This record gives sequence, structure tokens and C-alpha cells, in this order.
Amino acid sequence: AQTVTQSQPEMSVQEAETVTLSCTYDTSESDYYLFWYKQPPSRQMILVIRQEAYKQQNATENRFSVNFQKAAKSFSLKISDSQLGDAAMYFCALSYGKLTFGQGTILTVHP
Amino acid sequence: GAGVSQSPSNKVTEKGKDVELRCDPISGHTALYWYRQSLGQGLEFLIYFQGNSAPDKSGLPSDRFSAERTGGSVSTLTIQRTQQEDSAVYLCASSSSTGNTIYFGEGSWLTVV
Repeated sequence: AQTVTQSQPEMSVQEAETVTLSCTYDTSESDYYLFWYKQPPSRQMILVIRQEAYKQQNATENRFSVNFQKAAKSFSLKISDSQLGDAAMYFCALSYGKLTFGQGTILTVHP
Repeated sequence: GAGVSQSPSNKVTEKGKDVELRCDPISGHTALYWYRQSLGQGLEFLIYFQGNSAPDKSGLPSDRFSAERTGGSVSTLTIQRTQQEDSAVYLCASSSSTGNTIYFGEGSWLTVV
């Protein structure tokens, strides 16, 4: 069985600052994918970034980067230069067969 | 279209009626997922199809819920005898067989009155 845990129900950040969202997971598999999704009020799930478990190099996508610690089963998301449009619910997810989600973190960005 | 398409976008139904929600995945994607999200809640896994394998139905909440996938493409989620607690957004997603990138549709908002 796979589990994903996001321990921060809510986070806030000032515009232009950096924020890190935490995620831990558990799986017995060695080859899987990890994702961060953004969900604005429209409920559309938007893929932010993905990480292949077999790659040691941390994924980056513009202002978004991850800190992937496979041994610790940790997968945090760092958002640099935060913008008002980053405000949303963020979900961490693990894919091996079905996709398992964490509980989500609501991110508020203050101007 | 290029993305995952879901219909209807919004559905209001009376308690006790049956509803069908449709998902058209990205062309060539062999994996298809259904999730449910109630207001203010996280994503609840419902069912997962992968190619011709038997679907993983472990998330279906009751026997009122069923899903099928015809021809390895379009999927229909059916809810029989709807109840008010079925009100939620139903999200569909698809991916290639490797599952390395999973794309979601815009969801079907179901309201049971």
C-alpha cells in the first residue's frame, strides 16, 4: 500500500518570498513517480512538477523546484519569488499503478 | 481535443435518480483514473483502469457506483439512486502506460438535491 502525507494544512508567504511545502510518502516500490499538483478554486488540477524516483537530480520548473530525498521518502516543493497567482491548494502525489494523493496544503500569498 | 475531456461540466439531479459521467482520455493513453472531491476535501480514489487489465475498483464507496471503459478509451462512471452525499466534483485523469505524466480533466460538478 502507498501513502502520502502532507503535514501542513495551510501555509502563507509574502509576495516575492520563498516558501517550501512538505510531503512524505511510503511505498515498498523502488521505481515510481512523484508529482506536485496545483488546484485553484476552479478545481482544475494543474501539474506543477514531477520527479522520477530513479533520478537523483532534483526536478526544477522555472520558479518551482523539489528536494527529493529517496531514502527519507521526502519530496518537498519550493516556490521561489512567490506570486499572487500561486495561491491555491497544492497536492503531493505518488504514482505506482494508481495515483495516491496527500491531503493537500492551502497556500496563501500576501501582497 | 488534446486534453482529457469530461462531460457534463455540471449536473444537478434529484435524489434517487441515476447519473452518468463521461471521460474521454488523451488519445493513446492506456491508464484512466476517477477521483471524487467533496467541498473542502482532498481527492478520494474511486477506480483505475490500465489497458486490458482488470480495473482496480477498491475505491468505489458502495455498489451504487460503477464504471466501465469501452474499447480502452472512453470511460463512464455511473451512480445509481443518487444521494445528497454524492454531491462532489468527479475528476478524471489519464496517462501513458508508464504513468510518468498524468493529466486531469476539468471535472464534472454533481449536485444532488
